[in-house]
Amino acid sequence: GNSVTQMEGPVTLSEEAFLTINCTYTATGYPSLFWYVQYPGEGLQLLLKATKADDKGSNKGFEATYRKETTSFHLEKGSVQVSDSAVYFCALMSSNYQLIWGAGTKLIIKP
Amino acid sequence: DTAVSQTPKYLVTQMGNDKSIKCEQNLGHDTMYWYKQDSKKFLKIMFSYNNKELIINETVPNRFSPKSPDKAHLNLHINSLELGDSAVYFCASSLQGSGNTIYFGEGSWLTVV
Repeated sequence: GNSVTQMEGPVTLSEEAFLTINCTYTATGYPSLFWYVQYPGEGLQLLLKATKADDKGSNKGFEATYRKETTSFHLEKGSVQVSDSAVYFCALMSSNYQLIWGAGTKLIIKP
Repeated sequence: DTAVSQTPKYLVTQMGNDKSIKCEQNLGHDTMYWYKQDSKKFLKIMFSYNNKELIINETVPNRFSPKSPDKAHLNLHINSLELGDSAVYFCASSLQGSGNTIYFGEGSWLTVV
């Protein structure tokens, strides 16, 4: 069946560090891939998405590339800020339109 | 002009009570969802409606009953609340179709005491 695996947190970094949060998936067909972010005390917001292989989603300095050969959609940012502290969720949309979620990765950025 | 709005945001209630959470979207979407997020932040889909028709109904106790009076609304009613129902419940909506973004409400924090 479809599944999403993302690195366990929390991930703790200093401000301006480089960020990578790994996400791999298993799916039949060609799913769309998403990263959502949940800031403390808030709901989920779409961060970026990619709908086909080799697409790169980007937003607010974050990027992720849809790699079909490695079934991955790793989230990266070159220089993180304290305001990036949040929980990040990787997800895929299956052929029956259900969104399959990773477990979430808590990111803590220290000044 | 909130896109997906759900009420109440916070709800504290006693075991055995019946409560409802309301959800409305003004995005013109045809599909709405309810998700449950547990204390470990794990998100689990509960229900999905497309054009007022139930299309996803995961293994959820019968005490949970969704109601969709029209495409813009999907309410969640919970009977005989239990301690384990304490969680954050998220309403969401989208256009049906792979690749379409799902938009979430801000969540409803339910605490059963």
